[in-house]
Amino acid sequence: DSGVTQTPKHLITATGQRVTLRCSPRSGDLSVYWYQQSLDQGLQFLIQYYNGEERAKGNILERFSAQQFPDLHSELNLSSLELGDSALYFCASSVVAAGELFFGEGSRLTVL
Amino acid sequence: AQSVTQPDIHITVSEGASLELRCNYSYGATPYLFWYVQSPGQGLQLLLKYFSGDTLVQGIKGFEAEFKRSQSSFNLRKPSVHWSDAAEYFCAVGAKRAGTASKLTFGTGTRLQVTL
Repeated sequence: DSGVTQTPKHLITATGQRVTLRCSPRSGDLSVYWYQQSLDQGLQFLIQYYNGEERAKGNILERFSAQQFPDLHSELNLSSLELGDSALYFCASSVVAAGELFFGEGSRLTVL
Repeated sequence: AQSVTQPDIHITVSEGASLELRCNYSYGATPYLFWYVQSPGQGLQLLLKYFSGDTLVQGIKGFEAEFKRSQSSFNLRKPSVHWSDAAEYFCAVGAKRAGTASKLTFGTGTRLQVTL
């Protein structure tokens, strides 16, 4: 158990819908990272937050947004869903300056 | 920009045989390097990491990796593979940065199959 908690574990929805994925980082970790894992794209970095502020942005679509709240949990919002958004979405957290990321078990999104 | 190449998509080894998974990275300075393992339906678990110092690093589950700057490589090894090692292995590179850890860039992964 990495200490990073993600909910829900599985989610099935329809095209055009909106979903929210939630992540609670390890106790004391200030940074949260979101990754998307799909068969054709592999593990793609989406976005990083540090203590409530956006720190780095990767290949995140405009239909996607994220935020980190004062209690350090984070949410990834995916809207106007398309079939191609079906993937495993991972959240990770890190200790300041340590370099290693601790991953949750992921949220598997299926868009039908 | 940093990048990672794992040239082997799929490797099959017999239980008890030795294993080497290849990883090449591209980064302008000395990077942070990692190996993660992912079992089916699971998240990524850190096997080992290289930040600085001794270029041969030991990890969990009997794995080790060697950082070779001249070859831009960070290959993962295990002297004797167990059936439970069957999983997907990811090499990753991160930047040295003051403050919080940077994002990691992952390779495409190597799927390890172990035959009995």
